[in-house]
Amino acid sequence: DQQVKQNSPSLSVQEGRISILNCDYTNSMFDYFLWYKKYPAEGPTFLISISSIKDKNEDGRFTVFLNKSAKHLSLHIVPSQPGDSAVYFCAADINAGGTSYGKLTFGQGTILTVHP
Amino acid sequence: SQTIHQWPATLVQPVGSPLSLECTVEGTSNPNLYWYRQAAGRGLQLLFYSVGIGQISSEVPQNLSASRPQDRQFILSSKKLLLSDSGFYLCAWGWGGSEQFFGPGTRLTVL
Repeated sequence: DQQVKQNSPSLSVQEGRISILNCDYTNSMFDYFLWYKKYPAEGPTFLISISSIKDKNEDGRFTVFLNKSAKHLSLHIVPSQPGDSAVYFCAADINAGGTSYGKLTFGQGTILTVHP
Repeated sequence: SQTIHQWPATLVQPVGSPLSLECTVEGTSNPNLYWYRQAAGRGLQLLFYSVGIGQISSEVPQNLSASRPQDRQFILSSKKLLLSDSGFYLCAWGWGGSEQFFGPGTRLTVL
């Protein structure tokens, strides 16, 4: 049972435009969400996160939106740059008031390609 | 600053052979440690996590085991590899919250 799903295996955008990566989850116990970026043959690196008490978190060009009623989150990258080309994973955790062991559940990933 | 090391970077092993992958973390004490696997075309799957020396929790039944002989050392092992054990293995550490920091990974191919 895939509790975190990224239904778009790939996304292609033009440099300077907005990239929107989507993620859906089914487990209503999830209360903390993260996005990781991964280059080939490397480990993922943390990008941005959001707690379920918020509906938006922004860090420079990256913004994550959370819609709890729809069990949906999205990552917006504005403006997109060729260096953003990578695989993006969303992940979810049951933080339960700060007692998480970090047992993250990951989506399948979306390959983002930003064309110059 | 903290760093995480994994070796080897790539490994090709025959079916039925043993496996030992090592992960070490520098620059922090008593981290939570994690082993993940990414199979071809799939997301990251949590295999094991550890909150302290000798404390291992397994997340999925499988042909693998993990050990934590020292505070900052995490080892993934198998007595007999299966074809289905092929994948990209990632070690990660964290401070008990959700954010984790990943190593460079090991590409394992079982033939």
